[in-house]
Amino acid sequence: EIVLTQSPGTLSLSPGERATLSCRASQSVSSSYLAWYQQKPGQAPRLLIYGASSRATGIPDRFTGSGSGTDFTLTISRLEPEDFAVYYCLQYGSSPFFSFGPGTKVDIK
Amino acid sequence: QITLKESGPTLVRPTQTLTLTCTFSGFSLNTGGVGVGWIRQPPGKALEWLALISWDDDKRYSPSLESRLTITKDTSKNQVVLTMTNMDPVDTATFYCAHYFPFDARGFFSDTLHFFDPWGQGTLVTVSS
Repeated sequence: EIVLTQSPGTLSLSPGERATLSCRASQSVSSSYLAWYQQKPGQAPRLLIYGASSRATGIPDRFTGSGSGTDFTLTISRLEPEDFAVYYCLQYGSSPFFSFGPGTKVDIK
Repeated sequence: QITLKESGPTLVRPTQTLTLTCTFSGFSLNTGGVGVGWIRQPPGKALEWLALISWDDDKRYSPSLESRLTITKDTSKNQVVLTMTNMDPVDTATFYCAHYFPFDARGFFSDTLHFFDPWGQGTLVTVSS
C-alpha cells in the first residue's frame, strides 16, 4: 500500500514569496500518476497539476509541479493572496486505487 | 459543462446505513472510460478516497473501508449511489463525488489523466445520536 506524506504541515509565508511544498510516497510512484489539488475553506478541491507537472486548464503558470519516483514538489513562484489555501497530492496506483496526502496549509505570515 | 451534486441525509444515527446520491450532468456513464468517484473529508482533516465506479460497472473501493461500502450506478437517471454501513461518529465528514475520465480530448487513454475533476460541492453528514 502506497502512503503519501506531505511537508511541511503548515507553511507561513508572505504574498510575493516562493512556496515549495513536498509530497513523498512510501514506494515509487509513476510521475504520470501524481496530481495536486488546492482547497479553500468551504470549497471543493480544485485540480492544479496532473501527471506530476502538467497544469490543469486555467491554472496560472506560477504553479509548477515536478518530481519523480518517491519525491514530488509543488512550487508556487510568487504567492498571490488567493493562493493561501490547503494543498493535497493525490496518487493513482494498484492498492489503494487512489490515495491523498495529508495536506499542506499555506497561510499568511 | 460537467456538474455533479451530492444529496442525502445531513444527520445519521450511529449504526445506521448512510445512502448518498450523486446526480450529474454533462457526461454519461454509458460513455467508455467514464467513472465517478466518492471522496470524504472529516471537518478540518484531509481528503480520503472511498470508491470509484466506471462505465463498465467496474468498482474499486478503499481497502480500509471496503467491507462497509457499496457503489452503484443508474445510467438512466445520471446518478451514482454510495452506501456506507454501520456509521459511527468518526465518519462525520463532507462527502464529495467527482468525475473521472482518463482519456484525452482525442479519445485516447492517457496514463496522466488519473484524477478527479470536477467535483461536486460536497454534502456534510453528521453522525450523532
